[in-house]
Amino acid sequence: KNEVEQSPQNLTAQEGEFITINCSYSVGISALHWLQQHPGGGIVSLFMLSSGKKKHGRLIATINIQEKHSSLHITASHPRDSAVYICAAASSKNSGGSNYKLTFGKGTLLTVNP
Amino acid sequence: DAGVIQSPRHEVTEMGQEVTLRCKPISGHDYLFWYRQTMMRGLELLIYFNNNVPIDDSGMPEDRFSAKMPNASFSTLKIQPSEPRDSAVYFCASSSRSHHGYTFGSGTRLTVV
Repeated sequence: KNEVEQSPQNLTAQEGEFITINCSYSVGISALHWLQQHPGGGIVSLFMLSSGKKKHGRLIATINIQEKHSSLHITASHPRDSAVYICAAASSKNSGGSNYKLTFGKGTLLTVNP
Repeated sequence: DAGVIQSPRHEVTEMGQEVTLRCKPISGHDYLFWYRQTMMRGLELLIYFNNNVPIDDSGMPEDRFSAKMPNASFSTLKIQPSEPRDSAVYFCASSSRSHHGYTFGSGTRLTVV
């Protein structure tokens, strides 16, 4: 069983809709990352959070440490938001600086239609 | 800053050949990571360095894989001999304690035929 589970695997939305992608993890973490990858493209780090909520433009990321759960929300979705969104957990079990070592979810493929 | 720079962007090689992937991290970042991405397994950590020293290479699949970081601005991932199952996109990423995040390179798409 993967230590980081994402849902849904695939998500199709109409432009303007509110999007939620969920991530659950089973390990103790020092931080939770949300990454974005466009088809055939590179990976962009969207958020790193260890508590509460962060917002950047139309993107909001939340985390509940007690429930080991994080969500990525996209408000007023747009076709350019179509991408794979990947959740990654930085384990707190590791020593030294290795809280930077990430365990990845399988990703959520988001398609936003005009 | 130009970001994390990887080369080559694409590599096609024949089975048995040696392949060398290169990475230049962001200046000032003291962590460097090599990841592999495949359809079947998603993103996997291969190895990471802190201050040029390999910290964890438990993700390196076999002895055919080796990685070096001779200085703070350069790292290589070598596969010798290459096999078709090594075909994947290899990403390099760098980070630092103060940065608190990751910056990924554009990746190298490796095809072994």
